[in-house]
Amino acid sequence: GENVEQHPSTLSVQEGDSAVIKCTYSDSASNYFPWYKQELGKRPQLIIDIRSNVGEKKDQRIAVTLNKTAKHFSLHITETQPEDSAVYFCAGLRGGSEKLVFGKGTKLTVNP
Amino acid sequence: DTAVSQTPKYLVTQMGNDKSIKCEQNLGHDTMYWYKQDSKKFLKIMFSYNNKELIINETVPNRFSPKSPDKAHLNLHINSLELGDSAVYFCASSPGAGGGYTFGSGTRLTVV
Repeated sequence: GENVEQHPSTLSVQEGDSAVIKCTYSDSASNYFPWYKQELGKRPQLIIDIRSNVGEKKDQRIAVTLNKTAKHFSLHITETQPEDSAVYFCAGLRGGSEKLVFGKGTKLTVNP
Repeated sequence: DTAVSQTPKYLVTQMGNDKSIKCEQNLGHDTMYWYKQDSKKFLKIMFSYNNKELIINETVPNRFSPKSPDKAHLNLHINSLELGDSAVYFCASSPGAGGGYTFGSGTRLTVV
């Protein structure tokens, strides 16, 4: 089955800097890769996703890149702000499956 | 209106008791899920139903029994609760076919 590895487990940056979180997946049949943000005590919320037919997607300060050959995808946050502080999860979904497999999460801290 | 709502938000109970968590979604999604988030924040799928039919049943003790009376509801009943069952349980729904998940606000279960 699918296995998603995520790193780093913790990341601390200064406000205004960029943050990058990386994930690798094992199942070459996976074709959907969402990213979720979970603030303390709250639910995970979808912030951006990418499908295997594109290599990059951007939404304001957030971008995701996908390298199908290497089976890895990354989340890029530019001009970080203290409100970006949260746990971020990557996930992968095999085509035809309903089982979304999550990475173990990255705790991002943005220091003012 | 809350898209995915689950009750109760907090549940404190003694070992050996039986408890239920309820989930309802008003998004018209066909697929619903139960995820368990442990103290290390790892999100692990437990069950998934598609239009009232069980499609995913991970290696979960049979003390856990999901029930889906219709495609908008997915409840979780837990028998003979153990200390290790303490976690946050999230309900989620998706339109299927690689659509993003929407999570409920979570139920924090504490077994004492």
